[in-house]
Amino acid sequence: DQQVKQNSPSLSVQEGRISILNCDYTNSMFDYFLWYKKYPAEGPTFLISISSIKDKNEDGRFTVFLNKSAKHLSLHIVPSQPGDSAVYFCAASQNYGQNFVFGPGTRLSVLP
Amino acid sequence: DSGVTQTPKHLITATGQRVTLRCSPRSGDLSVYWYQQSLDQGLQFLIQYYNGEERAKGNILERFSAQQFPDLHSELNLSSLELGDSALYFCASSVASGQGHSGNTIYFGEGSWLTVV
Repeated sequence: DQQVKQNSPSLSVQEGRISILNCDYTNSMFDYFLWYKKYPAEGPTFLISISSIKDKNEDGRFTVFLNKSAKHLSLHIVPSQPGDSAVYFCAASQNYGQNFVFGPGTRLSVLP
Repeated sequence: DSGVTQTPKHLITATGQRVTLRCSPRSGDLSVYWYQQSLDQGLQFLIQYYNGEERAKGNILERFSAQQFPDLHSELNLSSLELGDSALYFCASSVASGQGHSGNTIYFGEGSWLTVV
């Protein structure tokens, strides 16, 4: 039973356009969410986080939106750059950072 | 560089053998997490330690065990290895186990590639 889902295994976007990566979760006890980016043969690197008391968090080109009632969050990357091509993982946790559960990832390809 | 160090980076071993993966957390981090990533799979949470004590357990097999030492480094022991145990094993660390609305970000090492032949 997957508690964190990323239903799009892959996504292709043109350089300069917006990339929207989606994530859904089933456990209503999750209260803290993170996005990670992973290049091949490297460890995941932290991008941005959001706690359940907020519905939006922005950091440069990256914005995460949280819709608690729908148990859905999304990562927006604007503008997308070729260097953003990677696998993006959504992660969720309870108690603001315990026992992180990761989604299966979405492979983003930004085309020049 | 996340500051989390994992050794070895690559390991090839035979079925039935036992291996130990080592992780040094970021300076000041008390919590260590272990994750497994098989080919084209997501990150599967195995186990978490906080300041030497087990804090949370995920899908960790009974053949696997872990511990966190007084100096806060951690080891993941994999025994009676099977072909299906071939994967990338990540260690991650964070300051705490969970803390208020400011949240708790975990930082990953580069991973240890285990190949069982």
